[in-house]
Amino acid sequence: EPEVTQTPSHQVTQMGQEVILRCVPISNHLYFYWYRQILGQKVEFLVSFYNNEISEKSEIFDDQFSVERPDGSNFTLKIRSTKLEDSAMYFCASSEDRTGSGELFFGEGSRLTVL
Amino acid sequence: RKEVEQDPGPFNVPEGATVAFNCTYSNSASQSFFWYRQDCRKEPKLLMSVYSSGNEDGRFTAQLNRASQYISLLIRDSKLSDSATYLCVVNGPNTDKLIFGTGTRLQVFP
Repeated sequence: EPEVTQTPSHQVTQMGQEVILRCVPISNHLYFYWYRQILGQKVEFLVSFYNNEISEKSEIFDDQFSVERPDGSNFTLKIRSTKLEDSAMYFCASSEDRTGSGELFFGEGSRLTVL
Repeated sequence: RKEVEQDPGPFNVPEGATVAFNCTYSNSASQSFFWYRQDCRKEPKLLMSVYSSGNEDGRFTAQLNRASQYISLLIRDSKLSDSATYLCVVNGPNTDKLIFGTGTRLQVFP
């Protein structure tokens, strides 16, 4: 069964460091997303990406965040200068159709711990 | 008012029990509705979409009341493997964003 894969599964970093989280979406999907979940809280939307550009972003997704699809398979989330409050589980997701009409497939997540 | 509101639980029920979860949403223009399931420290997985006419998938029944902005999930004949957090999820018009509730935790015991 095709799946979304994410690396690393867990990353520990010092405050102020740059972090890149990587994702390989399902191959025939066209829409890509990043969500995050702070421990004990709800899943929150960060950004959606379609046709090689950001289609929507939340207020959380400020100038410290960026996304890229550097080749035909990877989809990355970069946090330029991490803060303590960036500690969370980051989920990548992909879908064939826009969110409302199709199922979102999530990866297993990358746990980021900022010290 | 929260965008999507759920009773956090936990709901502790014996195997075989019927359990119902409720959810309310604030944006009357919301168009798509879902129940996702999330196991502890795992990713959310789609359980079922929710349609205006109501829909059933095996032991699971979902209902939508647009007038009251209310969504429900009924689980019949609970199994131990149903133990998880159930997330009510809403998608508005002209947006890619899924809005998640905080989830309702279900624990099924033998």
